[in-house]
Amino acid sequence: AQTVTQSQPEMSVQEAETVTLSCTYDTSESDYYLFWYKQPPSRQMILVIRQEAYKQQNATENRFSVNFQKAAKSFSLKISDSQLGDAAMYFCAYRANFGNEKLTFGTGTRLTIIP
Amino acid sequence: DGGITQSPKYLFRKEGQNVTLSCEQNLNHDAMYWYRQDPGQGLRLIYYSQIVNDFQKGDIAEGYSVSREKKESFPLTVTSAQKNPTAFYLCASSIRTGREEPLHFGNGTRLTVT
Repeated sequence: AQTVTQSQPEMSVQEAETVTLSCTYDTSESDYYLFWYKQPPSRQMILVIRQEAYKQQNATENRFSVNFQKAAKSFSLKISDSQLGDAAMYFCAYRANFGNEKLTFGTGTRLTIIP
Repeated sequence: DGGITQSPKYLFRKEGQNVTLSCEQNLNHDAMYWYRQDPGQGLRLIYYSQIVNDFQKGDIAEGYSVSREKKESFPLTVTSAQKNPTAFYLCASSIRTGREEPLHFGNGTRLTVT
């Protein structure tokens, strides 16, 4: 079974600085998708960024980028120029491209922005 | 605007009572999901449905039941057999054929059972 591990329950960063959130996963599949979701205090889950395992280029969305290391099964999220609105729980998630299509989540990292 | 509506936002029930959480979507998505969120445990899949009149158990289906009679609706019933029902419940949907497509989530229902 696929598992997703986020080893940092909490992180904090100074406003305008850069922070990296870690995520590792375990799978025997070669074709899959990885996602980062953000859950602010409103508890609405919001997609931050996604990555296809077959694409070597790391995905980027404005201030958010990933470092995807397929061999190491690592998928970290880098947030540049951190803003107060980035404060949230961040969840890493995995989805296979074949077979069971369910999305498996990690346990989350709570990010605090220090003004 | 298209989206997913979960109601109510807060729900209170006495122990031993069944309770049904509503989830409606107007995104024309085929697949719908129910997740449970507890502190420190992330999101865990309860049930999912890829098509009308069909659904599959997720990782923690015991004590829950669902139905999918209409494409846009996927209600979740928390039965009295669920030993620890107090939690935050999230409904989601996605385009079935696109694994790269993200899940779209509702705003959640906080269920408290006393």
